[in-house]
Amino acid sequence: GAVVSQHPSRVICKSGTSVKIECRSLDFQATTMFWYRQFPKKSLMLMATSNEGSKATYEQGVEKDKFLINHASLTLSTLTVTSAHPEDSSFYICSASPTDLNIQYFGAGTRLSVL
Amino acid sequence: AQTVTQSQPEMSVQEAETVTLSCTYDTSESDYYLFWYKQPPSRQMILVIRQEAYKQQNATENRFSVNFQKAAKSFSLKISDSQLGDAAMYFCAYKHNQGGKLIFGQGTELSVKP
Repeated sequence: GAVVSQHPSRVICKSGTSVKIECRSLDFQATTMFWYRQFPKKSLMLMATSNEGSKATYEQGVEKDKFLINHASLTLSTLTVTSAHPEDSSFYICSASPTDLNIQYFGAGTRLSVL
Repeated sequence: AQTVTQSQPEMSVQEAETVTLSCTYDTSESDYYLFWYKQPPSRQMILVIRQEAYKQQNATENRFSVNFQKAAKSFSLKISDSQLGDAAMYFCAYKHNQGGKLIFGQGTELSVKP
């Protein structure tokens, strides 16, 4: 099956620093990638949709200047949390959608802890 | 706007028994997809099963099957011969055809008793 690699799996950083999370589709080209945030025992909340070669589309209430998304190639999208604060601590998950746009494959997630 | 509702926050099943997880959705579209995803303690989202709205036949994947009632906008998941490894959070999701984002339900936490 299709594999999506997400790195790092866990990151701890100091308040005010920036953190970059990578999402790679290993065995298919992903024209569209998605970034989610998930709180404990809660559902996935879509943050933004990333299309290769164009600007990301952010969901209402998500600060685009704080959560920078870059989708520079058909296999890589990155999420950068800028000037991280403790309230940004969460579980972030990416997914990628291949040519068959009606399936999303998920990365294993990144647990971000901001001290 | 489309919505997905899972009315069972928690469910429990005895090992080897059958359990059904409920999901209802609301949409004015006629062409869409429905999914069940499993999220075990590792938190890796795993696709369990997919149903195309235009297909009347219910999708099945080994021990997993769905009961898709389009008119009632219901999409339940049946797990037969439950195994300990089935313990996880299960999410129902909707997606309009030809692009569009996944819309998730609130999730149902399934526990399997030995």
